Order: sequence, then C-alpha cells, then structure tokens
Amino acid sequence: GDSVTQMEGPVTLSEEAFLTINCTYTATGYPSLFWYVQYPGEGLQLLLKATKADDKGSNKGFEATYRKETTSFHLEKGSVQVSDSAVYFCALSEYFGNEKLTFGTGTRLTIIP
Amino acid sequence: DTAVSQTPKYLVTQMGNDKSIKCEQNLGHDTMYWYKQDSKKFLKIMFSYNNKELIINETVPNRFSPKSPDKAHLNLHINSLELGDSAVYFCASSRNMGGRTSTDTQYFGPGTRLTVL
Repeated sequence: GDSVTQMEGPVTLSEEAFLTINCTYTATGYPSLFWYVQYPGEGLQLLLKATKADDKGSNKGFEATYRKETTSFHLEKGSVQVSDSAVYFCALSEYFGNEKLTFGTGTRLTIIP
Repeated sequence: DTAVSQTPKYLVTQMGNDKSIKCEQNLGHDTMYWYKQDSKKFLKIMFSYNNKELIINETVPNRFSPKSPDKAHLNLHINSLELGDSAVYFCASSRNMGGRTSTDTQYFGPGTRLTVL
C-alpha cells in the first residue's frame, strides 16, 4: 500500500537558517504530493503541492520538487522565520475512484530567534 | 467565510457516552472526509463520502458512524466512547474531478479535540 516516510523531528533551527525536511514515498501509481502545515492550536493548511514528476510546488518561500526517480518530495526554505514554527506533514494522494490522503508522521519545526 | 467548519472545537466527555461532531463545507465540494490525529500527531483517514455515499471506511470500529444528510455536511457520531478515542478529529473536503488520474486538494477544518475521561 501507499506510504510516506518523513524525517524524524523535532527540528530546531535559528532564524534565517536553511531548512530541509526530507520526505520519500511509496505508491502504486502516479500520486499527487503535498505538504501541509499545522500551526500551534490550528488545523491543517495546504502549503504546496505537485501533481506530476519534476513539478515544483512553492508557497511562502517554501519549495518542493516531485522527484519520481528518487520517490522524494523534500521541503526546503532558504531562510526560515520564527513564524514558520509548526508541524509539517508530507502526504500523497492517489485517485482510485476516490482520493485518500496518506500522511507522513509529521515533523515539528521550531525556529529560535 | 469559513470554508470547512467543525463543531464543537473542544469536547470533553465521560467513557461510555455517545457524542457527535458536526462538519459543514461551503465550497460546493462533492467529497468529504474524517481524519483522526492521535497524541503523537499521526494523521489517518477514517471515512470518505462522495455525494452522500460512503466510499472509504478504513477499518474503524463500528462505534463510529458517519452520517451525511447532504453533500455539504458530514457528521461523525461515536457510541460508547473509550479512552483511546481521545484525539483531534479533522474534517476535510475536496472536489471530485472524476477520471482515474485526477486528484484535488483537500481543505481541512480546524479540528475537534475530543477528550474522554
């Protein structure tokens, strides 16, 4: 079955540091890939997505590229801010008559000033 | 303005009780979902409904019964609550774009934190 493996957290970085959160996946077909973010005390928000190989999703300075050859969708940001502190979830979705998001375990990111 | 709303936001109850969580979306989506997030933040799908029809049921105990009165609402009723049911429950919705290769973004509600004592 489908699965998503995310880098274990928690991750603590200083403000303006470079961020990478690794994500790899296993799927039977050609999934769409997503990063969702959950800020403290809030629900999940879509951060970015990519629907086919070599697509790059980007939003709020975050980027991730759909790499079919390495089955990866790593999240990157060049310069993190304190406001980026949140839990980040990598997810995939395959359409088999209905969509089902399969999530990774989440990575808690804390940015210190 | 709220796209996907859930009520209540917090629910504290005793073991053995029956409770419901309501979800409404005003996005005109055809498909709605319930997810459970446990204490370690792990998210897992429970149910999916498309146009009021149950599509996905991920081996959830039959104490959990989703009900969809119309395609804008998907409520979750839980009978005989147990300690292990304590979690945050998220509702989500998406368009049904049709076709084997189509997928669309799911929009999540703010979550309902259920605590069973």
